[in-house]
Amino acid sequence: DIVMTQSPDSLAVSLGERATVNCKSSQNILYSSNNKNYLAWYQQKPGQPPKLLIYWASTRASGVPDRFSGSGSGTDFTLTISSLQADDVAVYYCQEYYSTPLYTFGQGTKLEIK
Amino acid sequence: ELQLVESGGGLVQPGGSQRLSCAASGFIFSNYWMSWVRQAPGKGLEWVANIKEDGSEKYYVDSVKGRFTISRDNAKKSVYLQMNSLRAEDTAVYYCARDNDAGWLDPWGQGTLVTVSS
Repeated sequence: DIVMTQSPDSLAVSLGERATVNCKSSQNILYSSNNKNYLAWYQQKPGQPPKLLIYWASTRASGVPDRFSGSGSGTDFTLTISSLQADDVAVYYCQEYYSTPLYTFGQGTKLEIK
Repeated sequence: ELQLVESGGGLVQPGGSQRLSCAASGFIFSNYWMSWVRQAPGKGLEWVANIKEDGSEKYYVDSVKGRFTISRDNAKKSVYLQMNSLRAEDTAVYYCARDNDAGWLDPWGQGTLVTVSS
């Protein structure tokens, strides 16, 4: 089974500064036949369901602001918020779907304002 | 507008059963796999089960195999989760979500809370 490990568990960033969340998979999730990384990122605000931010490791979902970006390949991935807004306070999760139709989430990273 | 609405949560005793429903609208339901994902209080997300477009394939996380059954009714645009032999550790908000292409989940419903307690 693939294990997804996020770091840090929590972080505090000043408004307007860059926030970075890391996600590491226990095995390669780059599918060689299509050169795609089977990784998604979600944002969950308090009291709300998760919202898809990014899929294929770096493709923003419809309506997601361009301050959100995803990068990485193979086993190491990063979600970056280029200029933190107050509305970005949330828990962020990565999810692998390389094992599709079975899925695994990371444990989550809580993002707060410093 | 894409929408998923869960129902059926509540308080159930250990060893009991509960059936969750998720009604879909705004997309061609029969064209998509559907998933259930749960979140224990204060904890992270755990994928629970999913079902193929025609119901012919079903997959489960190990912790619920043999106890939970996912099903769907494409005519009613609904997916269900029958939960038997419930345990305290099954206490969680249960979300339904649409599987897309290779496996990302979007959209998600608002969730329904299942509490297993005596």
